[in-house]
Amino acid sequence: QITLKESGPTLVKPTQTLTLTCTFSGFSLSSSGVGVGWIRQPPGKALEWLALIYWDDDKRYSPSLKSRLTITKDTSKNQVVLIMTNMDPVDTATYYCAHKSSGFSAPYKNWGQGTLVTVSS
Amino acid sequence: DIQMTQSPSTLSASVGDRVTITCRASQSISNWLAWYQQKPGKAPNLLIYKASSLESGVPSRFSGSGSGTEFTLTISSLQPDDFATYYCQQYNSYPNTFGQGTKLEIK
Repeated sequence: QITLKESGPTLVKPTQTLTLTCTFSGFSLSSSGVGVGWIRQPPGKALEWLALIYWDDDKRYSPSLKSRLTITKDTSKNQVVLIMTNMDPVDTATYYCAHKSSGFSAPYKNWGQGTLVTVSS
Repeated sequence: DIQMTQSPSTLSASVGDRVTITCRASQSISNWLAWYQQKPGKAPNLLIYKASSLESGVPSRFSGSGSGTEFTLTISSLQPDDFATYYCQQYNSYPNTFGQGTKLEIK
């Protein structure tokens, strides 16, 4: 059974850096084709894709946020970390991590429950 | 970026109705399209992948079709549990963009 869970601060101040951790089980991020992505959803709004990291450390970012995002993995801990710098109130959203099983041709089949991050002073 | 446009944004329907949601891509994405259902306070749930493949465990009243730039999600006979928001997503290229969502409401 594949599970993912996001963790991190629920409240950050404007200009601060957000660090979110996705801890997963049921798959290995060292297996060929496997990827973990981050998606966010502001309250009442649509889903927005942020970043993705593959088993071979290939990383992809949303062009509009690329300068602010860093995605890394720790295979031994079964974790993926997303760092977002210079947080702004418009970044208030529920942040999800999700699993991709077989590279480019796979959808995001398994999702975490999401974690709500509020940006406010 | 590939833009994904869903229509309608809101759809009112009754139990038993057949409904169709459309998703258009700003350029060809072959058949690399997924449909998700999302209920309030919950993570999205994968329904359809590769435009027309039904995810395991998803009821057969859900179906998907299309290729290139135009895609549809059809629910053949609405059930009470189907009232939710539906999103399409392309995974042909990065960023893997989503549509703006279609909220399916009870008439």
